[in-house]
Amino acid sequence: ETGVTQTPRHLVMGMTNKKSLKCEQHLGHNAMYWYKQSAKKPLELMFVYNFKEQTENNSVPSRFSPECPNSSHLFLHLHTLQPEDSALYLCASSPQGGGASNSPLHFGNGTRLTVT
Amino acid sequence: AQKITQTQPGMFVQEKEAVTLDCTYDTSDQSYGLFWYKQPSSGEMIFLIYQGSYDEQNATEGRYSLNFQKARKSANLVISASQLGDSAMYFCAMREPYSGAGSYQLTFGKGTKLSVIP
Repeated sequence: ETGVTQTPRHLVMGMTNKKSLKCEQHLGHNAMYWYKQSAKKPLELMFVYNFKEQTENNSVPSRFSPECPNSSHLFLHLHTLQPEDSALYLCASSPQGGGASNSPLHFGNGTRLTVT
Repeated sequence: AQKITQTQPGMFVQEKEAVTLDCTYDTSDQSYGLFWYKQPSSGEMIFLIYQGSYDEQNATEGRYSLNFQKARKSANLVISASQLGDSAMYFCAMREPYSGAGSYQLTFGKGTKLSVIP
């Protein structure tokens, strides 16, 4: 079983739909992240949670709403999205307090979102 | 300002040959970390190698090594004996100093697409 699991793998939604992305980690980490990966752009950090508390919101539009009910689960609720929101959304986790300086982020496979 | 620069959008390498993927970074901090990730077409970001700013020796992990030149602020990835399975996107990333908020951020470059030719 992979360390970080994201569902669904692919999602197509209309601009008026409401959907949610799910991320689950089995690594015992306490920090979880949402990243957005658009074509030909660097990965963009969206949200950071540490011990279920949101510590970063990187100026993300309110049509993206994160939820972290516990340290193992992270959701991204989507509503009234725009076509430019189509991208690969990656979830990641890291140990408590960021861990040792050489601790990498552990990523899931991502959800490929298409907004029509 | 862009903190991580990867100047090679695409690279080709012959199977079994070595290849160097370039990465330069910009920071005024003394303590930082540099990571390389591989992203196959499946989408998952796979951690390859890490170099700390205070590490005196270049990092190595199997066929991967990092050519760290601190004065030039470069952290190039060297892949030896390329394999067909190495074809993927490769991202260089820099870890910001610990903010005390209990987590840390990685800033990524735009990536280099490596294609290994049989």
